[in-house]
Parts: sequence; C-alpha cells; structure tokens
Amino acid sequence: DAKTTQPPSMDCAEGRAANLPCNHSTISGNEYVYWYRQIHSQGPQYIIHGLKNNETNEMASLIITEDRKSSTLILPHATLRDTAVYYCIVRAPLNNAGNMLTFGGGTRLMVKP
Amino acid sequence: KAGVTQTPRYLIKTRGQQVTLSCSPISGHRSVSWYQQTPGQGLQFLFEYFSETQRNKGNFPGRFSGRQFSNSRSEMNVSTLELGDSALYLCASSLGQGFVNTEAFFGQGTRLTVV
Repeated sequence: DAKTTQPPSMDCAEGRAANLPCNHSTISGNEYVYWYRQIHSQGPQYIIHGLKNNETNEMASLIITEDRKSSTLILPHATLRDTAVYYCIVRAPLNNAGNMLTFGGGTRLMVKP
Repeated sequence: KAGVTQTPRYLIKTRGQQVTLSCSPISGHRSVSWYQQTPGQGLQFLFEYFSETQRNKGNFPGRFSGRQFSNSRSEMNVSTLELGDSALYLCASSLGQGFVNTEAFFGQGTRLTVV
C-alpha cells in the first residue's frame, strides 16, 4: 500500500471548516484513499473513502486532486467533539490477500472554542 | 446493531505470563483484524482472520498468535509477556470479502499493562 504524509498537528476554530491535507504521491491507479479518526482512548472510526471523484457523506467531504497524488478531508463545521487524530490511509481494493490497514502518524486536530 | 465487543477492557499482567484477549465482531462480519497501539510505534497491524483462517500477518514475533471460531469470534494470545507488550490492543471487524469498499469497525480496545 502507498505511503501517506500528513502534518502532525492542526488547530481549527469551532464552527469553522477544518481542512486536513494528505499527500500520497506514490498512489497506484487502483488504490483507494480512506480516512479514519481516533478520539482519545477509543478505537478508530471510519469517516469516508474515495478513488478519484470527490465524495461527501454526513460526516465529511473528501477532495482528491486530479492526479490523485494528494487529498483533503473537510469537516465543514468543526465542533469540539471533532478533536481527534485523523488518519489518511491508501490501500488497494479488498481481495483475497486481506483487509489490512496501514496507519501512519496521522494529524492531531485540536478544535478550539 | 451491536458494535464490536472486546473483553476485557483493562488487564494487568506480570512479565513472563501469557494473556488471551477476546473480540466479538459485528453480526454477519466474517473478517476480524487485530492491531497493537503504543505511543512509540503507533497503530500496527498484527493479523487478520477470515472464515477461521489467518489471511494476513504483520511483523510481530511468534509470541503473538490468534484464532477465529466458527461464529467469527476471535481471540489473540500473547505468551511470555514482555514490558514492551504494554499497549492498547484493538480489534476491527468487517464484512471481509467481495466488497472493495468494505470499511472496518473498531472496538474500544483492551488496554494491557505488563509489570
């Protein structure tokens, strides 16, 4: 699976949009971009994933550049409860080789009042 | 529906002992993966089980082992515990096959402290 690079930490004001970048310049054509987050002392939580088109769900939006070498997770109106470590993961489609996720260091997002 | 259940939540063991951790996946999920999380190494993949077979394995010593039962529940075992095995052990459940977009649902974890 391709390696990802994320800033170690970011701050965001409550109510503002949080834009979390991820670089995955070695991504292969069939690899997806996944985002998970981990709130302190809990297990990671799935947020969103995409291949090449932008995606949106009730939690967030995912913007993937046209060359797919980077992406941005957008939390449109950050709340204090969004304070967490956010992980960007690139992985190939599920196949018989398994369902392994490779976590990097992630970005520690601090939402401030 | 019920989420992923890991037991126990907290555990204290002595060096040299062994420990068994349990994970009950979401009903209908056939894949169970285990991860170790430490402050120094972050989240690292241990192994994955699907239909009672180990499908993938991370880079951990043979002291770490696991198994999966016919009802998809999984256990992991660590023998001859070392201080460095102190960590949060997380279990993730997913459908596991046939879906490229299958997401993993994590449990709350078992926090193991080796003294």
